[in-house]
Amino acid sequence: QVQLVESGGGVVQPGRSLRLSCAASGFTFSSYAMHWVRQAPGKGLEWVAVIWYDGSSKYYADFVKGRFTISRDNSKKTVDLQMNSLRAEDTAVYYCARVYSRDGYNYVDYWGQGTLVIVSS
Amino acid sequence: QLVLTQSPSASASLGASVKFTCTLSSGHSNYAIAWYQQLPEKGPRFLMRVNIDGSHTKGDGIPDRFSGSSSGAERYLTISSLQSEDEADYYCQIWGTDLWVFGGGTKLTVL
Repeated sequence: QVQLVESGGGVVQPGRSLRLSCAASGFTFSSYAMHWVRQAPGKGLEWVAVIWYDGSSKYYADFVKGRFTISRDNSKKTVDLQMNSLRAEDTAVYYCARVYSRDGYNYVDYWGQGTLVIVSS
Repeated sequence: QLVLTQSPSASASLGASVKFTCTLSSGHSNYAIAWYQQLPEKGPRFLMRVNIDGSHTKGDGIPDRFSGSSSGAERYLTISSLQSEDEADYYCQIWGTDLWVFGGGTKLTVL
């Protein structure tokens, strides 16, 4: 079955960096685009970034452009999110998610359980 | 601008039906959307995609009690025969060329 397991969350000071990783299994990872989506405490879901199945395209939400970088390693079946210049407002649970992208559709069909990032001094 | 609007809360009684609305922003009324359920303290789960014609395709293991429909710029999620375990947050999502947008979510209380 499809499994997405995030890791790398923790407590970090403002202005510092953190790298999240997501390990995928149970499907042909190299055939799927992957998202990172976050959820601040008590708030709704917020899309962060997406990377195409082959890494050829990457898109970011405006609030992370220039600070966050998404990458993937299809040989290891992992997708990472490098987060630099972290701010208190980046505090959230970060979810890794698989994208169903065929026939004009581009939605998430599987989610991980999330990893918590707390940005605090 | 790609925006989805959802009511913040809804409530319905055990065994009844509830219908959630996701309203698409002007100029985007021909878009399909996806619906997600998020149980308390859990990650989201894909429920279904809903097309402009109201046809919908559900995710793995989603019960028949869940259905989708559409009218103009509105996309709907209906849950019938409500059960206590349906108490959750429900989100819709739309996608553009280079961005993905979630609605603000609707919190369902089962009475």
